[in-house]
Amino acid sequence: DAGVTQSPTHLIKTRGQQVTLRCSPKSGHDTVSWYQQALGQGPQFIFQYYEEEERQRGNFPDRFSGHQFPNYSSELNVNALLLGDSALYLCASSLLPSSYNEQFFGPGTRLTVL
Amino acid sequence: AQTVTQSQPEMSVQEAETVTLSCTYDTSESNYYLFWYKQPPSRQMILVIRQEAYKQQNATENRFSVNFQKAAKSFSLKISDSQLGDTAMYFCAFMKPNAGNMLTFGGGTRLMVKP
Repeated sequence: DAGVTQSPTHLIKTRGQQVTLRCSPKSGHDTVSWYQQALGQGPQFIFQYYEEEERQRGNFPDRFSGHQFPNYSSELNVNALLLGDSALYLCASSLLPSSYNEQFFGPGTRLTVL
Repeated sequence: AQTVTQSQPEMSVQEAETVTLSCTYDTSESNYYLFWYKQPPSRQMILVIRQEAYKQQNATENRFSVNFQKAAKSFSLKISDSQLGDTAMYFCAFMKPNAGNMLTFGGGTRLMVKP
């Protein structure tokens, strides 16, 4: 049973570019959440997708957008990259957006913006 | 808004000994969930233990236990018989019920277990 997978593992971009990160949830899970973890800090919630819709959103600008596909996989898009967007981006999946169900995290995508 | 504070950026412990990591939080909610997550160098966040605020009994999972003090808004993690594999970043996290399952994390404590 594959856990949460993310691609790519590492990514280097320059300021102003756009980036797309991908996440495949754990088998049987239908809800995907994205977190940004800056170096030396705890993760911060970006948004959550369920039934192909954004259900919850943290305090992130509109440059951060996402999508969920019918197979429950998800993409995180960041436009007009800033140096401050350099971080580890974590994806977490669960069965339903329910506080009763454990979230499982992927290994993350390390994004470096130069 | 909820905030989670971990006041110990780094800690170390000798193998086989006991260590306690501290966490405080601020919320106006009466019911909520608290978590400790472990993030080893592999980066994958792993759930260590979960506590539901309406349960007075402290949660335990093998060598891991918590001291949940609701009135003080304190939620510490005790690791007994520390092992080298416990070396990792540890994050305390808060979740409101009925608000999806969004987690609010603290800044983390880096734990080093020494042989």
